[in-house]
Amino acid sequence: AQTVTQSQPEMSVQEAETVTLSCTYDTSESDYYLFWYKQPPSRQMILVIRQEAYKQQNATENRFSVNFQKAAKSFSLKISDSQLGDAAMYFCAYRSSGDTDKLIFGTGTRLQVFP
Amino acid sequence: EPEVTQTPSHQVTQMGQEVILRCVPISNHLYFYWYRQILGQKVEFLVSFYNNEISEKSEIFDDQFSVERPDGSNFTLKIRSTKLEDSAMYFCASRPGRWGHTEAFFGQGTRLTVV
Repeated sequence: AQTVTQSQPEMSVQEAETVTLSCTYDTSESDYYLFWYKQPPSRQMILVIRQEAYKQQNATENRFSVNFQKAAKSFSLKISDSQLGDAAMYFCAYRSSGDTDKLIFGTGTRLQVFP
Repeated sequence: EPEVTQTPSHQVTQMGQEVILRCVPISNHLYFYWYRQILGQKVEFLVSFYNNEISEKSEIFDDQFSVERPDGSNFTLKIRSTKLEDSAMYFCASRPGRWGHTEAFFGQGTRLTVV
């Protein structure tokens, strides 16, 4: 069974600085999808970025980018020029490309942004 | 922008009572999901639903739970006899298709409190 591990329960960053959130996963599959979701205090789950495992190029969405290391099964999220609105819980998630399409989430990293 | 809508935002119920959580997925989406998040814990998959049938369910989704798409627009989660441990945030999600990189869109969640 696939697992997702986020080893940083909490992280903090100063406004305008860069922070990296870590995520590792375990799978025997070669094709799959990885996601980062943001959960602000409102508790809604908002997709930040996604990565297809068959793509070598790291995904980027404005200030958010990932470092996808397939061999190491690592999928970290880099937030550049951090803003106060980035403060939230961040969840890494895995989805198989096979028979199941459920999302498997990590335990989350709470990001605090200080002015 | 289309969004997944969940009602109510907060439901308080007595142990042993039945509750129905409601979701209106995005209109052209075909795949529907329920996830739950116990306070402070990770988001867990409950069930996926397609073509008026459950396509996958987790161990959590026991006989106390059921899902239905009664009228072609709503997607409901029913808990027949609530327990204290059912207290959690319940998220509905939908996707337009199953395969490919189409991500799941989440609703804002329903906070269920069982007293």
